[in-house]
Amino acid sequence: QKEVEQDPGPLSVPEGAIVSLNCTYSNSAFQYFMWYRQYSRKGPELLMYTYSSGNKEDGRFTAQVDKSSKYISLFIRDSQPSDSATYLCAMSLTGGGNKLTFGTGTQLKVEL
Amino acid sequence: DTGVSQDPRHKITKRGQNVTFRCDPISEHNRLYWYRQTLGQGPEFLTYFQNEAQLEKSRLLSDRFSAERPKGSFSTLEIQRTEQGDSAMYLCASRGQASYEQYFGPGTRLTVT
Repeated sequence: QKEVEQDPGPLSVPEGAIVSLNCTYSNSAFQYFMWYRQYSRKGPELLMYTYSSGNKEDGRFTAQVDKSSKYISLFIRDSQPSDSATYLCAMSLTGGGNKLTFGTGTQLKVEL
Repeated sequence: DTGVSQDPRHKITKRGQNVTFRCDPISEHNRLYWYRQTLGQGPEFLTYFQNEAQLEKSRLLSDRFSAERPKGSFSTLEIQRTEQGDSAMYLCASRGQASYEQYFGPGTRLTVT
């Protein structure tokens, strides 16, 4: 079993829909949680960063962390075709260099 | 601040050849990471530098792989005697001392034929 599980999709939604992307993890010591967006053949782009449990909002994006359930989510409101990409969740421990452990990524397509 | 840059962006090489990749982190970021990403997978950690010191290496980093960061600025990743299984995207990321957010470069896509 992988440390971080993420549904690979693909997930197809109509423009304007609310998108929900999720990851579960097994290591309760993870403290830092990130979401990256990756377009085809490009490097990952940091979207959201959250420490420990709670919610964080930035524009159309909301990140949620539920450490008791070992479950994190990214919500995208008013989705646009330009949001079509692969979304990667990543997490790290305190200390140990903070190397990131990634999910496999969810491929999202927002259709006109 | 310019972002993380990597060179080359693409490399095609024959099995058995040596290749070297370069990463220039965001200026004043003292931590630098190398990851490898294969198709349909998330990036996997390879190694990490704090300034010029290499502090951790993954078991994924076989003896054919070596990384350096000689002056605590740019880093190089060398693969000796490349194998077809080395074909992947090699990603570099950096972060500053005061934050935990890692910023990635565009990657170097390696194809071993």
